[in-house]
Amino acid sequence: NAGVTQTPKFQVLKTGQSMTLQCAQDMNHNSMYWYRQDPGMGLRLIYYSASEGTTDKGEVPNGYNVSRLNKREFSLRLESAAPSQTSVYFCASSEGWQGGTSTGYEQYFGPGTRLTVT
Amino acid sequence: GQSLEQPSEVTAVEGAIVQINCTYQTSGFYGLSWYQQHDGGAPTFLSYNALDGLEETGRFSSFLSRSDSYGYLLLQELQMKDSASYFCAVRDRGTGFQKLVFGTGTRLLVSP
Repeated sequence: NAGVTQTPKFQVLKTGQSMTLQCAQDMNHNSMYWYRQDPGMGLRLIYYSASEGTTDKGEVPNGYNVSRLNKREFSLRLESAAPSQTSVYFCASSEGWQGGTSTGYEQYFGPGTRLTVT
Repeated sequence: GQSLEQPSEVTAVEGAIVQINCTYQTSGFYGLSWYQQHDGGAPTFLSYNALDGLEETGRFSSFLSRSDSYGYLLLQELQMKDSASYFCAVRDRGTGFQKLVFGTGTRLLVSP
């Protein structure tokens, strides 16, 4: 099992350019997430997908769009990149949450994409 | 909403024991989890507490007190490789508990 994979690993964009970050998981998880992490900061949720066919905004969705292409894949798109979007982006997946159990608490993270917008 | 507070940094020496605290405020609670992240790496899951008390996994233990809205991660026999950031997390009631809310993290520095 590869777990959670992300592409690309590094990317440099100019202001105004667009790009899509790809994420795939092979653990048959229902839920997938996109986070950003700025230097010295915690993880902030951009968007999540609780199950195939659904997506919802997280804490910092402005400037981003997502697509849950199928159960395995969840992509993040920057339509018009801005320097404020310079960050490390992590994709994660988990089993769907089941109340009162640990199921869904364990999120599996990809290696991250380091994005610089100049 | 949810909020979690952790110390920003903790330092310790090899072989010592260190405790990283997490206090939380949440309108609904379904457990506290901990993640470890090395510099340049991805977060990895360490532990989960749904009920009060201590959960032990090797050198790492995690404790929860629901009445105090408080938990901690205890690292014993510290090794240099334990130098990392540690995050606590709770479920977000506002989204039907569909997502985790992470604390801002505690950077642990282990010195020889």
